[in-house]
Amino acid sequence: EAQVTQNPRYLITVTGKKLTVTCSQNMNHEYMSWYRQDPGLGLRQIYYSMNVEVTDKGDVPEGYKVSRKEKRNFPLILESPSPNQTSLYFCASSLDSLNEKLFFGSGTQLSVL
Amino acid sequence: AQKVTQAQTEISVVEKEDVTLDCVYETRDTTYYLFWYKQPPSGELVFLIRRNSFDEQNEISGRYSWNFQKSTSSFNFTITASQVVDSAVYFCALSSYNTDKLIFGTGTRLQVFP
Repeated sequence: EAQVTQNPRYLITVTGKKLTVTCSQNMNHEYMSWYRQDPGLGLRQIYYSMNVEVTDKGDVPEGYKVSRKEKRNFPLILESPSPNQTSLYFCASSLDSLNEKLFFGSGTQLSVL
Repeated sequence: AQKVTQAQTEISVVEKEDVTLDCVYETRDTTYYLFWYKQPPSGELVFLIRRNSFDEQNEISGRYSWNFQKSTSSFNFTITASQVVDSAVYFCALSSYNTDKLIFGTGTRLQVFP
């Protein structure tokens, strides 16, 4: 089944404790991206990747890191999480660009205490 | 700068009513794409439609229809004979070739009551 797999589904952590949210797609997509969803703000892009080893900042990249060492994986890293990073996070992929239909993961609800 | 405005924060209707969700966009690009995504209560995001800036034809898919008007920079979404299963948050989004941004609106929460 074609899908974007995101883990974990829920995560509670404390300020400053490094964490990684994993994202993997099995559709051989070139384009992958991360979004955060906050009430009243819609979805905002954190980082995106057009291909392996190519990543770039979105609208809200501060406090986040990503890597794209393999085509299928695009992990989101929070080196030192803070409470303002409490949010619902989505990973997404598309065939070759942001102008195509996006396939989303099921989301990760992160709470930073 | 690109922008997407969904002025309706929340809409409530009774089943079988028709409902229109508004989306107004801003862009200076001539080549761009507009999208609608649905987020049901389960939380996942589901693609509904993509429309490019050169195709102003309206589209109908079952009970769903989309009205794209460049003259008013709008891409409105209508659900005919709404059903409880249509209850969700709906997002409009905009992308273009000249930027690497996919901009989402703030979403409209639709509640359909039986």
